[in-house]
Amino acid sequence: GQNIDQPTEMTATEGAIVQINCTYQTSGFNGLFWYQQHAGEAPTFLSYNVLDGLEEKGRFSSFLSRSKGYSYLLLKELQMKDSASYLCAVRVYSGAGSYQLTFGKGTKLSVIP
Amino acid sequence: GAGVSQSPRYKVAKRGQDVALRCDPISGHVSLFWYQQALGQGPEFLTYFQNEAQLDKSGLPSDRFFAERPEGSVSTLKIQRTQQEDSAVYLCASSTQRWTSGGESSYNEQFFGPGTRLTVL
Repeated sequence: GQNIDQPTEMTATEGAIVQINCTYQTSGFNGLFWYQQHAGEAPTFLSYNVLDGLEEKGRFSSFLSRSKGYSYLLLKELQMKDSASYLCAVRVYSGAGSYQLTFGKGTKLSVIP
Repeated sequence: GAGVSQSPRYKVAKRGQDVALRCDPISGHVSLFWYQQALGQGPEFLTYFQNEAQLDKSGLPSDRFFAERPEGSVSTLKIQRTQQEDSAVYLCASSTQRWTSGGESSYNEQFFGPGTRLTVL
């Protein structure tokens, strides 16, 4: 089976930097995604890592270490609108032309003035 | 352009009723996924279609859940004899993802619809 762990809640100050960690144990790993989800809304894509290293995309960066089963999402220059849940999701290839995204429970980030 | 749409947005059902939830994926997207998201949890995989073929239904919680995509575009998730534990948001996602015969795939994100919030009384 798949197991994904991330902190339940975090609080950070506007303008600061925050790092949200995600650890996973999976078989058939084929990429890791980060999604942002505002309350009552659909998840929206933030980043994708399949190779080790850092992917930077504006204020958001994501890092992956496959050997350690570890990823983090880094948010810089925090804005109030960044208050949301951040979902770590691992894609696994389950054979016969099928794959799945397995999500963590999400980290609820609160940005305070 | 148009994204993934779902209907209804909200559905209240009495225990034992049947419900049908609709998903209109982004035009041309080959892959379609259904997820169930309980309050305060991440989405949980239910089932996956590639065109009209249901390639994976391992996440469907019971035989009361049934999904179809007969023409490879619109999909319907049907829940028979609803129970209170079925109350959740049901998310649909689509992607241009396609697997090669070697099991490799290029990166391609899933685009999510707004979800249907099902409440079973």
